[in-house]
Amino acid sequence: EVQLVESGGGLVKPGGSLRLSCAASGFTFSSYSMNWVRQAPGKGLEWVSSISSSSSYIYYADSVKGRFTISRDNAKNSLYLQMNSLRAEDTAVYYCARVDGYDFDYWGQGTLVTVSS
Amino acid sequence: SYVLTQPPSVSVAPGQTARITCGGNNIGSKSVHWYQQKPGQAPVLVVYDDSDRPSGIPERFSGSNSGNTATLTISRVEAGDEADYYCQVWDSSSDSYVFGTGTKVTVL
Repeated sequence: EVQLVESGGGLVKPGGSLRLSCAASGFTFSSYSMNWVRQAPGKGLEWVSSISSSSSYIYYADSVKGRFTISRDNAKNSLYLQMNSLRAEDTAVYYCARVDGYDFDYWGQGTLVTVSS
Repeated sequence: SYVLTQPPSVSVAPGQTARITCGGNNIGSKSVHWYQQKPGQAPVLVVYDDSDRPSGIPERFSGSNSGNTATLTISRVEAGDEADYYCQVWDSSSDSYVFGTGTKVTVL
């Protein structure tokens, strides 16, 4: 059974940093591209970042480019998102999602990030 | 950047058919994927590549895509179909994934 479990969310002050993790199991992690998608309270889904299976291709949404860094450790079946210079508008539930083709076929349950003073 | 537009809400009586549209410039040339999200839960893929269904998704969920509009159709709507629905594409011109604005389906 495919499982994606996010962790690392919490309350952080504006300008602060946070590192999210996503532990994957139930599939060959090193064979799939992985993504982070977020959802602000009461709002829609927003794609954040994508990393290919071997980390050769990395993409970011314009809203986070230069502040967030996606990475993965295939030996540990883990995906990460380093978030720096956090802003109030980064407040959201952050989901880890597997990509199969160009669709997100499995999602984690999400971790809440709150940016507030 | 590429924009996907959905109606904010759709209301449908049980047993009837709900149609949710997703508008985008020449969206018919892209593969469209649809997600269902119930309150407090993660999204679930219900249709991929315009019209294919993942295993475990009822045949009542179907999709089509042509021209500037993609459509998710839910036949014989049930109370359990009440949720938010999002369309999504990959935009190769900007190397980004794009989600639609979302549609809340209410079962009357």
